[in-house]
Amino acid sequence: QSALTQPPSVSGSPGQSVTISCTGTSSDVGSYNRVSWYQQPPGTAPKLMIYEVSNRPSGVPDRFSGSKSGNTASLTISGLQAEDEADYYCSSYTSSSTYVFGTGTKVTVL
Amino acid sequence: QVQLQESGPGLVKPSETLSLTCTVSGGSISSYYWSWIRQPPGKGLEWIGYIYYSGSTNYNPSLKSRVTISVDTSKNQFSLKLSSVTAADTAVYYCARSGYFIPREGYYYYYMDVWGKGTTVTVSS
Repeated sequence: QSALTQPPSVSGSPGQSVTISCTGTSSDVGSYNRVSWYQQPPGTAPKLMIYEVSNRPSGVPDRFSGSKSGNTASLTISGLQAEDEADYYCSSYTSSSTYVFGTGTKVTVL
Repeated sequence: QVQLQESGPGLVKPSETLSLTCTVSGGSISSYYWSWIRQPPGKGLEWIGYIYYSGSTNYNPSLKSRVTISVDTSKNQFSLKLSSVTAADTAVYYCARSGYFIPREGYYYYYMDVWGKGTTVTVSS
């Protein structure tokens, strides 16, 4: 299975919005609504930010939102804050009953 | 609140078997899927495999020939064995809770909502 494709980096000024794309295939992202997103600040473990494409766990700010169209999922961070600077990974459950992660995107707050 | 803690040797010799254990505290290992994930230095996340509390497993096809994941429900632990390691297996290894079934919905949820802090494993002679 191949890693899902994400842009290496995105950046924005405080208060702006940024969107990270996550492109897979009809065997993963396009198969189910089982896409999740994780935030990983340097030196820490990943943290779940979005599950089932667009659902936020308790405690995750509503500035974070997710969507999906076809084989591409997206994570949008609205009202960007300095604390949002981190690496972000998408993940999908696949038709082979496995997981696959995205290549990762570094978010920089200018 | 469920917490996960990885444990095991931080240094493994090439060609030997890497063995790690994840201890689940604050909740039961039952009724959930449990995964191992790794992250080589400076690189992205790679899913290694998962085990259901009942013992059924599934592995990343690229690692399948070398991976075994097992569960000990009496100890609330699950374990990873990776054989014939090379320097390419040097990474931070994470354990994570990675799915559950909701009977009233008849639906399985698949995402990693609880993670351990990770343990660094270096493969070197």
